[in-house]
Amino acid sequence: GIQVEQSPPDLILQEGANSTLRCNFSDSVNNLQWFHQNPWGQLINLFYIPSGTKQNGRLSATTVATERYSLLYISSSQTTDSGVYFCAVSPLGGQGAQKLVFGQGTRLTINP
Amino acid sequence: DGGITQSPKYLFRKEGQNVTLSCEQNLNHDAMYWYRQDPGQGLRLIYYSQIVNDFQKGDIAEGYSVSREKKESFPLTVTSAQKNPTAFYLCASSLSSGRVMETQYFGPGTRLLVL
Repeated sequence: GIQVEQSPPDLILQEGANSTLRCNFSDSVNNLQWFHQNPWGQLINLFYIPSGTKQNGRLSATTVATERYSLLYISSSQTTDSGVYFCAVSPLGGQGAQKLVFGQGTRLTINP
Repeated sequence: DGGITQSPKYLFRKEGQNVTLSCEQNLNHDAMYWYRQDPGQGLRLIYYSQIVNDFQKGDIAEGYSVSREKKESFPLTVTSAQKNPTAFYLCASSLSSGRVMETQYFGPGTRLLVL
């Protein structure tokens, strides 16, 4: 099945810094989502981005489907940005098109 | 408020006991999903349902069962056959648009502990 690899696994930054999180996937996809899991376990949907670029405030994401990767940018980090960021994909076609496959996540810690 | 609710927030299971986790959504979504998350890991799919009275196994269905009698509800039963059930369980839902999956939205989760 499709493989999803996220990097780096851990990232520790000072408040105000910028960061880039990467997601590589092994096959063509029809769905790619970025999530933030807060310390209480709640997953919040950040972007639905199978291709192209989107921005929402201090966060933006770019997916280059032909090269099978996606990037999540966080600018001017705040302590509330801490948590785990997950990339999840749904492969193109077949039974797998209706399922999300998650990466292992990037744990981001923002220190004041 | 529209959203996904899961109950209970914490659940304790004794050896050999079956327990049922509740998931309800009022988003009018067709598709619903159950995931398991172990500490420090990503999410793994247990079961999913794209329509009432129909569901499919995910990657780790052994020891679990589900039902989908109503569009709004997708309960998960952790049976005694699941030997390592301690985990965080997350329910999600999405619109189902043909062969393309729409955005998934998640409930707050249930933490299951074995006594």
